[in-house]
Amino acid sequence: QSVLTQPPSASGTPGQRVTISCSGSSFNIGSNYVYWYQQLPGTAPKPLIYRNNQRPSGVPDRFSGSKSGTSASLAISGLRSEDEADYYCAAWDDSLSGRVFGGGTKLTVL
Amino acid sequence: EVQLVESGGGLIQPGGSLRLSCAASGFTVSSNYMSWVRQAPGKGLEWVSVIYSGGTANYADSVKGRFTISRDNSKNTLNLQMNSLRAEDTAVYYCARMIPVSGYEDWGQGTLVTVSS
Repeated sequence: QSVLTQPPSASGTPGQRVTISCSGSSFNIGSNYVYWYQQLPGTAPKPLIYRNNQRPSGVPDRFSGSKSGTSASLAISGLRSEDEADYYCAAWDDSLSGRVFGGGTKLTVL
Repeated sequence: EVQLVESGGGLIQPGGSLRLSCAASGFTVSSNYMSWVRQAPGKGLEWVSVIYSGGTANYADSVKGRFTISRDNSKNTLNLQMNSLRAEDTAVYYCARMIPVSGYEDWGQGTLVTVSS
């Protein structure tokens, strides 16, 4: 069982806006930055969002991150078929002195 | 261009040892936070260890006392010495770097470790 909680699946149609939630505690999301990763089938995870809402160069602005209290969200607007992937959230956990990940959300583009 | 290339994975018997390496280019390993993250087949991501620019290291409870993270500054390489390997250590191991000031990250492509008799 993961320290950060994500829904196991999400779906949307092309052009739609979808959000993926990530719930934690005061020890992790509540007091540290949140990171998001995209993992396409058979490939390595790719950093998507860092420090809650920053996008690495090359990541489309269709992807955005936000954080409030002990929860965070990843929003994807203008959904495309190539967005079909697994998405993971992560944060440092002060009580565990380690990084924790969510269990991952499989996004399906219908 | 930043590159991280992992190597050293393979098939190893339970109780055995393996040393993973991550060759870095385009940046200096010792100036960044360097981590190992693993992913068991069909499972999610699991953080393994981090070594900070100052040299301090942290480990996940699942590997503490068995794995050792280190840097070879002369080769600009990150290493992970894995001892007393168990079947549950079977995973793809990724190395990653984080720029301390910005939090920006880069990840490698991973190397597969299979622990089986």
